[in-house]
Amino acid sequence: GAVVSQHPSRVICKSGTSVKIECRSLDFQATTMFWYRQFPKKSLMLMATSNEGSKATYEQGVEKDKFLINHASLTLSTLTVTSAHPEDSSFYICSAQSPRQVGTEAFFGQGTRLTVV
Amino acid sequence: DQQVKQNSPSLSVQEGRISILNCDYTNSMFDYFLWYKKYPAEGPTFLISISSIKDKNEDGRFTVFLNKSAKHLSLHIVPSQPGDSAVYFCAASARKTSYDKVIFGPGTSLSVIP
Repeated sequence: GAVVSQHPSRVICKSGTSVKIECRSLDFQATTMFWYRQFPKKSLMLMATSNEGSKATYEQGVEKDKFLINHASLTLSTLTVTSAHPEDSSFYICSAQSPRQVGTEAFFGQGTRLTVV
Repeated sequence: DQQVKQNSPSLSVQEGRISILNCDYTNSMFDYFLWYKKYPAEGPTFLISISSIKDKNEDGRFTVFLNKSAKHLSLHIVPSQPGDSAVYFCAASARKTSYDKVIFGPGTSLSVIP
């Protein structure tokens, strides 16, 4: 089946630094990818929709300047957490839709555990 | 405003018995529903889906039932196995208006006791 790879799986950074998370679709081209955030014992909250070749669409309440999204190619989207603070510590997950002729279920990366100290 | 609700945060079931996970939604524009399974520190894995034109979809031990009038769906797992222990997310999308956007419920943690 379709595979989405996310890197790194775990990162610890100092407060004030920036962290980049990569999301790759390995065996299909994804014009659209999604970034989610999961707080402990909470649901997956959609942060933004990443569109290849255009600006990302952010959900209400998500700071665009804080969470920079770049979808440079059909197989790669990146999320950069800028000037990270401890409250940004969370589990970040990306997903991508397989081509519509195959199905509509999204495939998820393995997630990135970000800890800001 | 939570558009997809899973009112049971946790559920314990004996191995071999049936697990029933419930989900309610409020947005009448939703026309496609999915269930995902998630282990700790991993991304969700797709389990089964159902279109709003159907009321039942079955795949092996997993069956999803949809009651559109009640805006309710449920996932049945039978027989339940210890390996089914995970968090299950109900998700929904409105393909006519926002094809790819999927909204998740808060999840139900299932424990299957050997």
